[in-house]
Amino acid sequence: AQSVTQLDSQVPVFEEAPVELRCNYSSSVSVYLFWYVQYPNQGLQLLLKYLSGSTLVKGINGFEAEFNKSQTSFHLRKPSVHISDTAEYFCAVTPPTSGTYKYIFGTGTRLKVLA
Amino acid sequence: DTAVSQTPKYLVTQMGNDKSIKCEQNLGHDTMYWYKQDSKKFLKIMFSYNNKELIINETVPNRFSPKSPDKAHLNLHINSLELGDSAVYFCASSQDRHNEQFFGPGTRLTVL
Repeated sequence: AQSVTQLDSQVPVFEEAPVELRCNYSSSVSVYLFWYVQYPNQGLQLLLKYLSGSTLVKGINGFEAEFNKSQTSFHLRKPSVHISDTAEYFCAVTPPTSGTYKYIFGTGTRLKVLA
Repeated sequence: DTAVSQTPKYLVTQMGNDKSIKCEQNLGHDTMYWYKQDSKKFLKIMFSYNNKELIINETVPNRFSPKSPDKAHLNLHINSLELGDSAVYFCASSQDRHNEQFFGPGTRLTVL
């Protein structure tokens, strides 16, 4: 079985400052990892995903994430945030093959960018 | 072109009523989902269909019944609505069960 933990429910940060949103997962098998963003009053949309290969994954809007197998983490980073990055961010995990299927979302981290 | 659409966007109704939410995707995906998002933004999967076959049926009251007439549509019918059903309901689709999901804009259900 898989699980995913987003350690911070809220992260306030000033505009143009760097930010890191943390995501840790638990799984007995290999996993695919995803970050989604939800802007106010909208559905979720994919920011980036890790399926295999390079552990540093670049996504849209200047975000990137690094897969760390030893620490079972997939933290999301941006070197300089904008007001428009204010949103809810969700980490998700799923096994790459069938079997006990579970697509698990974390509880979300609210990023609040301050002027 | 909207990839995943839901109707209605807002739904306000009285306790005890029956209502339906419709979802359509034009991405040619095989898998569709219904999620419930509460006021704290917690996202809970309710159902998933793959090629019109129910593959995930989480612990949801049997007042909730999904229906998939074809691969492109997954509707959600709710009987005897309760106050606790108030939430935002999201439909999503994906090419397969292990890939990225595409979400609709959500339906905000308010039960009075």
